[in-house]
Amino acid sequence: ETGVTQSPTHLIKTRGQQVTLRCSSQSGHNTVSWYQQALGQGPQFIFQYYREEENGRGNFPPRFSGLQFPNYSSELNVNALELDDSALYLCASSVRPGENQPQHFGDGTRLSIL
Amino acid sequence: DAKTTQPPSMDCAEGRAANLPCNHSTISGNEYVYWYRQIHSQGPQYIIHGLKNNETNEMASLIITEDRKSSTLILPHATLRDTAVYYCIVTPLQGAQKLVFGQGTRLTINP
Repeated sequence: ETGVTQSPTHLIKTRGQQVTLRCSSQSGHNTVSWYQQALGQGPQFIFQYYREEENGRGNFPPRFSGLQFPNYSSELNVNALELDDSALYLCASSVRPGENQPQHFGDGTRLSIL
Repeated sequence: DAKTTQPPSMDCAEGRAANLPCNHSTISGNEYVYWYRQIHSQGPQYIIHGLKNNETNEMASLIITEDRKSSTLILPHATLRDTAVYYCIVTPLQGAQKLVFGQGTRLTINP
């Protein structure tokens, strides 16, 4: 148990729709990172939020966006869903950037696009 | 970010030590070596990390060579529950510390 919780656990959407995924970070952590894991692949970094600001972004288009709230929970929003967006979306929390401490992951949201 | 190379799969007998190698020959002086594992349908689980000294915790030991170009994760007494994909990741301490996952090593523990 890492203390990182994600909701929902599973979700089915159709092409063109929009989706919001949620993450509650571990107590004492103020940094949240989001990753996408396609079937059979390792997770790919989407972006990181620290103190409610984006603090780094991977190679994902602008239709992937995020928010971090004052309580350090976070949302991942994806607009105009495409079939290739089908994946496991993982959230990881950590103390803060630059600290010699690991990121701790939730068990993810499985998103299926029909 | 430095890249890592791991064998795609390994087998180990239950109760024996599992030694998982990782090559990171382009590692920079400010980059740490992290190990995570992922059991089917779960999120990655943090195992251990280090900079240049060997590290040990309740889960595993991490041996980093003196030139830091490779490392070995050791699970001292493997159990069936250690069957998972193990990822070796190199990441700098500065910045967003994004974790760049490769394909990892699929470790199977056999009874």
